[in-house]
Amino acid sequence: DVMMTQSPLSLPVTLGQPASISCRSSQSLVNSDGNTYLNWFQQRPGQSPRRLIYEVSKRDSGVPDRFSGSGSGTDFTLKISRVEAEDVGVYYCMQSSLWPHTFGQGTKLEIK
Amino acid sequence: EVQLVESGGGLVQPGGSLRLSCAASGFTFKNCWMSWIRQTPGKGLEWVAHISQEGSYIYYVDSVKGRFTISRDNAKNSLYLQMNSLRAEDSAVYYCASWGEAVTWGQGTLVTVSS
Repeated sequence: DVMMTQSPLSLPVTLGQPASISCRSSQSLVNSDGNTYLNWFQQRPGQSPRRLIYEVSKRDSGVPDRFSGSGSGTDFTLKISRVEAEDVGVYYCMQSSLWPHTFGQGTKLEIK
Repeated sequence: EVQLVESGGGLVQPGGSLRLSCAASGFTFKNCWMSWIRQTPGKGLEWVAHISQEGSYIYYVDSVKGRFTISRDNAKNSLYLQMNSLRAEDSAVYYCASWGEAVTWGQGTLVTVSS
């Protein structure tokens, strides 16, 4: 199985400041079709996960443009340009290039 | 409104069975791949099973192969997970999720396997 490793696991951030989460996969996520199926999810307290980013850098409908994704191969990053209070929660990367699809351990973002 | 509503969770003894259901609304269910994903405090998020639009392609994580069966009824806009020979390590919140035309997760249903 593809192992997804996130860092940091805990991320205290001051409101209005940027935040960055790293995700590394144990093997390349470039699919046989040439696409890279790396996703980012947000799980707010008490809620189900919600997808923010798909195919490395494409934002889902309704996702604020302060969220951006980047990376290639095995190294990926989720950036929040200016953290807001509603961004508190756990962020997960997830690969859907290979079966079984696998998630990272999660990064808990909190406000300092 | 795009919505998925799971049901069928509960307390079951080891070796027992449960059938989870997921009712979809607000989107064209038959056009979407569907999945069951579970979450525990210890193991985090784990993809359990995945089924294509017509049910032609089905995938299971190794730990549930031979015990769980995913199925769907496009006429009823419903997804199912039959879970047999349940173990303590199957205890989790189980989410159904849709992919493709509509990407969303349900609110989850809690499964507890304990004597």
